[in-house]
Amino acid sequence: DTEVTQTPKHLVMGMTNKKSLKCEQHMGHRAMYWYKQKAKKPPELMFVYSYEKLSINESVPSRFSPECPNSSLLNLHLHALQPEDSALYLCASSHTGTGINNEQFFGPGTRLTVL
Amino acid sequence: GEDVEQSLFLSVREGDSSVINCTYTDSSSTYLYWYKQEPGAGLQLLTYIFSNMDMKQDQRLTVLLNKKDKHLSLRIADTQTGDSAIYFCASPSGGGADGLTFGKGTHLIIQP
Repeated sequence: DTEVTQTPKHLVMGMTNKKSLKCEQHMGHRAMYWYKQKAKKPPELMFVYSYEKLSINESVPSRFSPECPNSSLLNLHLHALQPEDSALYLCASSHTGTGINNEQFFGPGTRLTVL
Repeated sequence: GEDVEQSLFLSVREGDSSVINCTYTDSSSTYLYWYKQEPGAGLQLLTYIFSNMDMKQDQRLTVLLNKKDKHLSLRIADTQTGDSAIYFCASPSGGGADGLTFGKGTHLIIQP
């Protein structure tokens, strides 16, 4: 199984809502990532989890809260988002370690619209 | 941090070869990657090259790496309409599981 799955595919939420994005992989990868991609732009890294521990926390607003319940699951909790947070949110996973091929496998993404 | 640059558009005729170019700044990058993104979809890993290689061929895809100039290219032979997409080169942002830094992406346009 070389698939990363993400749910939901589409999400529309108001600025006062709380929602969660979910990601799952069964490739035995111990690193999982959240990226944000605005239209016609490259993906930008938001968070990295390595062995279920947050190892990089970019300067992402606190209205985005990642969670890694186990090595196969990754969530992104959303609260009080702004319209400019509308984007495609991509999850990825990879093996982890220096000097090895850390090729990342991406899910199809969740298209988020904030009204 | 790592900086990756690509040209934004490439237009080729169906059946011709496409060459997409990329430059990067971090000379310690061990692996370099090419991803393909079709409209409304996620990213598909196309191929990668290890930094001690100059060339890697995989069916219609050929990757060339010039480490001295920090230049990477992806050649697609016999370009088909299904190759129309945005192509991103990517380099590790740092060692281990530090995520990837992507170029801005090259939009490959196929003319009939």
